[in-house]
Amino acid sequence: DTAVSQTPKYLVTQMGNDKSIKCEQNLGHDTMYWYKQDSKKFLKIMFSYNNKELIINETVPNRFSPKSPDKAHLNLHINSLELGDSAVYFCASSPWPGELFFGEGSRLTVL
Amino acid sequence: KQEVTQIPAALSVPEGENLVLNCSFTDSAIYNLQWFRQDPGKGLTSLLLIQSSQREQTSGRLNASLDKSSGRSTLYIAASQPGDSATYLCAGTQGGSEKLVFGKGTKLTVNP
Repeated sequence: DTAVSQTPKYLVTQMGNDKSIKCEQNLGHDTMYWYKQDSKKFLKIMFSYNNKELIINETVPNRFSPKSPDKAHLNLHINSLELGDSAVYFCASSPWPGELFFGEGSRLTVL
Repeated sequence: KQEVTQIPAALSVPEGENLVLNCSFTDSAIYNLQWFRQDPGKGLTSLLLIQSSQREQTSGRLNASLDKSSGRSTLYIAASQPGDSATYLCAGTQGGSEKLVFGKGTKLTVNP
């Protein structure tokens, strides 16, 4: 019974394609996040939703669009993928304020 | 803009040693502070959370402390084991924000 689960775990695609990563949490948390970990292993927040409402929107290209159908799900859609989008994308959830719990990550490789 | 520095970037110790990992924030107004470990190719596992009213947390062989006056935190690992080998990340939020800002981590290797 995984707390925060992401799919797919690995994603290899061509430049210019559109792809989505899904995230679900069964912890009953109100807040969910997307973080990006680049090739240098640096983790940076992209988006945060609280009860389906966008509360953090960092300087991220418009090609990235999060969507939260309900407070247990936060999906990330990426349009027109570029080489620089290759990274590991982590979903996380938390009560607020409180401890963050992360998923296993989704490794995106853009060729 | 909050920045987090973790020292050292890498550390290799023999099994059984006690060790300290350091983390410092450019803005000392930390609300919550959290330490994580990350194993290669894996997600982050939360180790300890120090909430706004706290200064220290302990879990087993791990102890984390936060000095809010200086914006510095330390993670103390007692009697290290090879299974402790991983990258350790500290991260903090500031009051009114849910944005967790991360350091770049300390890669720990514990040799048998």
